[in-house]
Amino acid sequence: KNQVEQSPQSLIILEGKNCTLQCNYTVSPFSNLRWYKQDTGRGPVSLTIMTFSENTKSNGRYTATLDADTKQSSLHITASQLSDSASYICVVRGGMDSSYKLIFGSGTRLLVRP
Amino acid sequence: ETGVTQSPTHLIKTRGQQVTLRCSSQSGHNTVSWYQQALGQGPQFIFQYYREEENGRGNFPPRFSGLQFPNYSSELNVNALELDDSALYLCASSLGTPEYEQYFGPGTRLTVT
Repeated sequence: KNQVEQSPQSLIILEGKNCTLQCNYTVSPFSNLRWYKQDTGRGPVSLTIMTFSENTKSNGRYTATLDADTKQSSLHITASQLSDSASYICVVRGGMDSSYKLIFGSGTRLLVRP
Repeated sequence: ETGVTQSPTHLIKTRGQQVTLRCSSQSGHNTVSWYQQALGQGPQFIFQYYREEENGRGNFPPRFSGLQFPNYSSELNVNALELDDSALYLCASSLGTPEYEQYFGPGTRLTVT
């Protein structure tokens, strides 16, 4: 079964600290993996997209890594800010009907405290 | 801002009623996907429209239907509303299939009482 699992479910850190979010997937065949940031009650906003051949990609203070062999990805946030408080969703494109199917994780809720 | 708009922002309906949600794509995008997101969960794929035709569907019953218009805007219709239909409904537009970047709208919060 094609699944995307994220950990932890929720995380609280102090402003200025770093954190790492995890994503494991069992999607096959694999096309790409995306990380989205979703503020409460809003639509997701893309942070990074990585294909099979890419193992790291950065977007400002966000750095995503991908290990296609172990089917794991991580999102590292450096020097966290209060505005980083949001849900972070890992999304994998693939599956048997890969023409359109995106498989979403349930997200990690991050709270950054002053 | 992604350039994708949705209306209305919030909606309250009664069980058994019907509802229509609307989405305007980012300029030039010919593909629209609809998602249902329950509280605390990731979005679940409902269906996708490409150039006015349904191009894929998730595990949702037929009472969830849609349309895409020549200007690529889209509607999601839900008949015979159930309490479990309460969720944030997101649309996302892209150029071609989701191989390309998808841009999400802000969502419509539907509450069924």
